[in-house]
Amino acid sequence: GEDVEQSLFLSVREGDSSVINCTYTDSSSTYLYWYKQEPGAGLQLLTYIFSNMDMKQDQRLTVLLNKKDKHLSLRIADTQTGDSAIYFCAESSGDKIIFGKGTRLHILP
Amino acid sequence: DADVTQTPRNRITKTGKRIMLECSQTKGHDRMYWYRQDPGLGLRLIYYSFDVKDINKGEISDGYSVSRQAQAKFSLSLESAIPNQTALYFCATSDGGSNQPQHFGDGTRLSIL
Repeated sequence: GEDVEQSLFLSVREGDSSVINCTYTDSSSTYLYWYKQEPGAGLQLLTYIFSNMDMKQDQRLTVLLNKKDKHLSLRIADTQTGDSAIYFCAESSGDKIIFGKGTRLHILP
Repeated sequence: DADVTQTPRNRITKTGKRIMLECSQTKGHDRMYWYRQDPGLGLRLIYYSFDVKDINKGEISDGYSVSRQAQAKFSLSLESAIPNQTALYFCATSDGGSNQPQHFGDGTRLSIL
């Protein structure tokens, strides 16, 4: 069945770049998403990429998609304390969205 | 004002009680979803609805029921709550058509004693 895998934790120093990686299984996925969850809040759509693209940039965020390897990454440049959150990778699969378990990003001073 | 509103935000109750969680949206979306989030397990889909009166089971529907009587409202019920239903519950909405992103409420933290 469909599955989305991502590492559970990442620690990064403030000011460095964060790279969160994800692998997915459904090769027919049309969209791939990154959601951010801050403490006490729901998931907020951060960015998404259409499957016929290999890169999307939005201010400090860069999404890279390798369709051949079914690998998606989210790079956050100049990581700030406000970026501390759980980041979920997700793939569209038919009428549903399949979420990974989330990567908790911890910012070191 | 939030586009997707969940009530209550927090609830503590006892085993065997019936509980209803409410979700309402002002986005005008046709599709609504209920998920539960548990530490280390991510989000799991409980039920979803693509239109009024349309109900579909998700990954973990046992022990839950839902009602979609109006486009803007989707309620989740636990008929007889048990402790392993303690979790964070999220409602989400999306526009019609495949691949549309989902928009989430802020969640209901439910504890069953």
